[in-house]
Amino acid sequence: GQNIDQPTEMTATEGAIVQINCTYQTSGFNGLFWYQQHAGEAPTFLSYNVLDGLEEKGRFSSFLSRSKGYSYLLLKELQMKDSASYLCAVRAYSGAGSYQLTFGKGTKLSVIP
Amino acid sequence: EAQVTQNPRYLITVTGKKLTVTCSQNMNHEYMSWYRQDPGLGLRQIYYSMNVEVTDKGDVPEGYKVSRKEKRNFPLILESPSPNQTSLYFCASSLSLLAGGGNEQFFGPGTRLTVL
Repeated sequence: GQNIDQPTEMTATEGAIVQINCTYQTSGFNGLFWYQQHAGEAPTFLSYNVLDGLEEKGRFSSFLSRSKGYSYLLLKELQMKDSASYLCAVRAYSGAGSYQLTFGKGTKLSVIP
Repeated sequence: EAQVTQNPRYLITVTGKKLTVTCSQNMNHEYMSWYRQDPGLGLRQIYYSMNVEVTDKGDVPEGYKVSRKEKRNFPLILESPSPNQTSLYFCASSLSLLAGGGNEQFFGPGTRLTVL
């Protein structure tokens, strides 16, 4: 099985930078995804890491350390519309040619003026 | 437009009355999956399918059935719904779930199910 931990809630100020951490324990690790989910809506894809290091995509960056079982999502120049839940998801090999994607419980980010 | 569709979007039903939630994608994706989302528990996988006629249990499969007779459709069946199946359900698809790429999942809009 997989164990994925993220903080439940975070608050940050508009224009600031926020880092959302995700730690995981799994066998057969094969990639880590970050999704954004606004209240009442479907999750949407933000980023993907499979190798160690930083992936940058505009105001959003994601970092992975496989040896530490650790990832973070960095959001810069926060905007009010960034208020949402951020979901960390780990893909792992589950045997017989099959892969499984498991989500963390999500971090609810509130951006305040 | 590339999308994942689910029907119905909202459903209120009673205990024991069989129901099916349909899911369809028009992106020729191999991988499809069903999740339920509950407050404090996050997204939990019910069943997934790597390809046509290949389905596997996720983390919370009890009380659910699925089928994958064709690539585009992946219906979720509740043979005898119970109140603890009241939840928000999401269908998702991706090109595949194999190594070698992001292969991010595209989610349907969700189905809010209430079982009385």
